[in-house]
Amino acid sequence: EPEVTQTPSHQVTQMGQEVILRCVPISNHLYFYWYRQILGQKVEFLVSFYNNEISEKSEIFDDQFSVERPDGSNFTLKIRSTKLEDSAMYFCASTPTGDIHTIYFGEGSWLTVV
Amino acid sequence: KQEVTQIPAALSVPEGENLVLNCSFTDSAIYNLQWFRQDPGKGLTSLLLIQSSQREQTSGRLNASLDKSSGRSTLYIAASQPGDSATYLCAGYDYKLSFGAGTTVTVRA
Repeated sequence: EPEVTQTPSHQVTQMGQEVILRCVPISNHLYFYWYRQILGQKVEFLVSFYNNEISEKSEIFDDQFSVERPDGSNFTLKIRSTKLEDSAMYFCASTPTGDIHTIYFGEGSWLTVV
Repeated sequence: KQEVTQIPAALSVPEGENLVLNCSFTDSAIYNLQWFRQDPGKGLTSLLLIQSSQREQTSGRLNASLDKSSGRSTLYIAASQPGDSATYLCAGYDYKLSFGAGTTVTVRA
């Protein structure tokens, strides 16, 4: 079965450093997402991406964050100048269309900022 | 802003008992409602998707209902097994998912 793959599975970074989390969505999917889950809290929406541009973003997704689809397969989340509170599990997800299909999630990337 | 609430927060049952997990949402303008399973430290696995026009959806021992007018969904798991132990999340979709905090289920052998 096709799956969303994410790398790295775990990254430890020093506060103030830049981090890039990578995702390979399912190949025929058109909508891509990043969500995050701080330990013990709800899964939160960060950003959705469609047709090579951001379609919606949450208030969490400020200038510190950016997303990119640098080629036909990868979808990246960049976090600049990381803070302690950025420590979380970051999930990438994709879906074929926007309204009727199941969203498929990757296994997540644990980010620990020290 | 969509708010999703799940009750109870945790549930412990003996093997074989049926499970009832509740989800409520504040904004009925959703395209669908999805139920996910999350194992500790793992990703989210989709269990069931109910379109906004549907009332229920079934897959094996799982059955989910949706009542948009009252803003409620219920996940039923029949004849629970220890392997069903996990956190179950519901989420309403309006071009993004809004998640509840989940119900953590423990099925005792």
